[in-house]
Amino acid sequence: AQSVTQPDIHITVSEGASLELRCNYSYGATPYLFWYVQSPGQGLQLLLKYFSGDTLVQGIKGFEAEFKRSQSSFNLRKPSVHWSDAAEYFCAVGPFFGNEKLTFGTGTRLTIIP
Amino acid sequence: NADVMQNPRHLVRRRGQEARLRCSPMKGHSHVYWYRQLPEEGLKFMVYLQKENIIDESGMPKERFSAEFPKEGPSILRIQQVVRGDSAAYFCASSREGLELFFGEGSRLTVL
Repeated sequence: AQSVTQPDIHITVSEGASLELRCNYSYGATPYLFWYVQSPGQGLQLLLKYFSGDTLVQGIKGFEAEFKRSQSSFNLRKPSVHWSDAAEYFCAVGPFFGNEKLTFGTGTRLTIIP
Repeated sequence: NADVMQNPRHLVRRRGQEARLRCSPMKGHSHVYWYRQLPEEGLKFMVYLQKENIIDESGMPKERFSAEFPKEGPSILRIQQVVRGDSAAYFCASSREGLELFFGEGSRLTVL
């Protein structure tokens, strides 16, 4: 069965500091990996996705993620966070083909301090 | 994504009442998905529909919950005889065939 683990429930970083959010997955086939961001009371916005090719993918808002097959990880990074990055971040895995039934992690809440 | 329209955004029901949540997919999208987000949890897949067909309902509770996506009009997620445990945010997403999901802003159900 597929699963996604986000080991950090809550992370606090200072504005301007670097950020890394961890994501580990378990999937029986070629995974299709996603990072979504959810601001309070809002829906989910896609930050970036990966299914093949270069293992370092660039997304919106200055985010990037690196796929490491050997570690079953897809960690999200940003070199310098802004106060507007405070939100909940979800990692998800899905099938490469077929229906897009995604399995989500439980999320990491990011707090930014001045 | 505001182009996937969900309504109502907030719904309050008393135990035993019915809740109906509506979702209009993005233009050109024929695939609709419903996810549920319980407090402090990630999203859980409920059901995947195409026009007039339920493709995968493996995440739907066996009782009280139903979904449809008629030929005309929005997709509807219906919860009969709601209980407090149904309080959650219900998200709809849509896609073209085989491509990424676009999520709506969710409908937040509170059961008193």
